[in-house]
Amino acid sequence: QSVLTQPPSASATPGQRVTISCSGSSSNVETNNVNWYQQFPGTAPKLLIYDNHQRPSGVPDRFSGSKSGTSASLAISGLQSEDEANYYCAVWDDSLNGPVFGGGTKLTVL
Amino acid sequence: QVQLQQSGPGLVKPSETLSLTCTLSTGSISSYYWSWIRQPPGKGLEWIGYIYYTGSTNYSPSLKSRVTISVDTSKNQFSLNLRSVTAADTAVYYCARELGGTYSTNFDSWGQGSLVTVSS
Repeated sequence: QSVLTQPPSASATPGQRVTISCSGSSSNVETNNVNWYQQFPGTAPKLLIYDNHQRPSGVPDRFSGSKSGTSASLAISGLQSEDEANYYCAVWDDSLNGPVFGGGTKLTVL
Repeated sequence: QVQLQQSGPGLVKPSETLSLTCTLSTGSISSYYWSWIRQPPGKGLEWIGYIYYTGSTNYSPSLKSRVTISVDTSKNQFSLNLRSVTAADTAVYYCARELGGTYSTNFDSWGQGSLVTVSS
C-alpha cells in the first residue's frame, strides 16, 4: 500500500488530454514539492516534472504538473502513442523522513 | 545529468547479502545525493536510501536494519549492501542521483538497473 495514491490505469485516444492524479497527505504532498517520472517497460524511470510544475530540458510542453493541497496532477495534452508508459509521482514524506512514490499509473493510448 | 553504471551479481541466496556498486562514468560524486531505489517485478518504485558524498546517510525505515550504503570518492562510486535477503527482496535495483537531498525527490540521473533474484 503506497503512501501516495494513483489510479492504476488511465487511457485516452491520440490528441486528447489525460490527467493522472496523485493523492497524499499533510506530511508529504501538502508541504513538499512533487515530482513525476515516466517509465517505459524494461527501462529506468525518467524525470518528467520537478518541483510540482517545472519541466527538465527536453521534456515537451505537452506535459504539465500542478498541485493543490494534498493532491497533485500530471496532465498530458495532445496525447501521442509514444506517451504510453507508466507514470509515478514522488514526494518527500516528513513522517517517514524520506522519499515516497505513488503506486504508478499505466497510461494506454487507444 | 551524469552517467551511472551498475555492477553486481544477479543471483543471491536467501539469508545472504546483496551487494551492488554504482560507478559514475561521467561527472563527480563529490556533490549531490546518491540513492538506491528498487522495483519488484511488475510493481512500483521503493526508495532504499541515500548517501551524501561526505558519507552521511539516510535509509528507509522499513529497510534500515538491513541496509548499508557506502561511498568511495576516490573511485567515483557508491555501493549498496542489503543483508539477510529473502525472496521479497527480488527486484530491479537502480542507483540514482538526487539533486536536493532532504525534502527533495529530484532524481535526474539513473543507472541502467540490475535485476537481482533471491533464490537458492
